[in-house]
Amino acid sequence: AQSVTQPDIHITVSEGASLELRCNYSYGATPYLFWYVQSPGQGLQLLLKYFSGDTLVQGIKGFEAEFKRSQSSFNLRKPSVHWSDAAEYFCAVGDAGGGNKLTFGTGTQLKVEL
Amino acid sequence: NAGVTQTPKFRILKIGQSMTLQCAQDMNHNYMYWYRQDPGMGLKLIYYSVGAGITDKGEVPNGYNVSRSTTEDFPLRLELAAPSQTSVYFCASRAGDSGNTIYFGEGSWLTVV
Repeated sequence: AQSVTQPDIHITVSEGASLELRCNYSYGATPYLFWYVQSPGQGLQLLLKYFSGDTLVQGIKGFEAEFKRSQSSFNLRKPSVHWSDAAEYFCAVGDAGGGNKLTFGTGTQLKVEL
Repeated sequence: NAGVTQTPKFRILKIGQSMTLQCAQDMNHNYMYWYRQDPGMGLKLIYYSVGAGITDKGEVPNGYNVSRSTTEDFPLRLELAAPSQTSVYFCASRAGDSGNTIYFGEGSWLTVV
């Protein structure tokens, strides 16, 4: 069965600092990988996704993620964090069949210090 | 540009009561999903549907039922509500291709007391 691990429950960074959120997945074939962001009291918004091709994926709001098959990782990065980036971030892996279901990690709560 | 619409947004239920969470999407998506989100647990799939008339269980289906009579609607029914069902519920949908984005509703906050 597929699974996702986000090892960091909480991360605090200063505004303007760089950010890296970790995500490791377990999946038998080539995975579909996603990063979603959730602001308090809101639904989930897609930041970026990887299906195939270039392993460095660009997303919205200046985020990017790199797929590393050898490490089973899909870490999310941003060079300079803004206070508005404070939110909860979820990594997810999708299966290619059986309803294209997503399996989510437990999330990383990002706090940005001014 | 409604997308995925969930109602109600907030609800308090007494133990043993029943209710239906409504979900509608206007994007003509084949796939629809119900997830629940508990603190520190991420999102867990309750039920999903690959098209009208077809539903299947996800990871945590016990205590819930769904139906999919139309492409647009995917209601989630809670029978005999229990405190363990206190959670935030998200409905989502996607088009037919494997790689398409899943769109989420804004969530329904349910408390069972």
